[in-house]
Amino acid sequence: QQPVQSPQAVILREGEDAVINCSSSKALYSVHWYRQKHGEAPVFLMILLKGGEQKGHDKISASFNEKKQQSSLYLTASQLSYSGTYFCGTVPGGTSYGKLTFGQGTILTVHP
Amino acid sequence: AAGVIQSPRHLIKEKRETATLKCYPIPRHDTVYWYQQGPGQDPQFLISFYEKMQSDKGSIPDRFSAQQFSDYHSELNMSSLELGDSALYFCASSPSTETYEQYFGPGTRLTVT
Repeated sequence: QQPVQSPQAVILREGEDAVINCSSSKALYSVHWYRQKHGEAPVFLMILLKGGEQKGHDKISASFNEKKQQSSLYLTASQLSYSGTYFCGTVPGGTSYGKLTFGQGTILTVHP
Repeated sequence: AAGVIQSPRHLIKEKRETATLKCYPIPRHDTVYWYQQGPGQDPQFLISFYEKMQSDKGSIPDRFSAQQFSDYHSELNMSSLELGDSALYFCASSPSTETYEQYFGPGTRLTVT
């Protein structure tokens, strides 16, 4: 079942912060976050395993709430290069091989 | 650092033709995944291979088949192409760790006319 991302779109000025949420109705093994620019490949940002919180890049971090089966991606002091579509990909519990089901994406636009 | 290589990058085919997409994973990555992404959509999982064996199957049409070879590269074979097969096809590779973090290749843009 597809995870649900919110919001669908975010518009920021450089230096502002944003939070993107990803919710699943299934128990999850892991949540993966990617950023994709138009026509390019998704770029791996970070992965959250159940029970873990991980900081990836210096101003991008994420958390995973097992009870709610929800992950949040935090973007602080945004830069123009942060613009793109952010996808969460989930791996359900009990799956051994990492098949990802992606959310519908959140379009992030950062203006000067 | 080495990345996932996909070929060709662009492919134009006519309806009912066949196409073969190739994927060369990052060295020492033994798991390969194939995803299909339509315009404005999220990537959809097609199929995956671990150590040359099919490990999982998603929404892959029966007209498509895939395999992973002894050198770990993978090929996606698509037959009787339809207009709706036009999409970006991504291959991703992963080392055999418990995290299954996946690194995507640049994709093959398939256009069926």
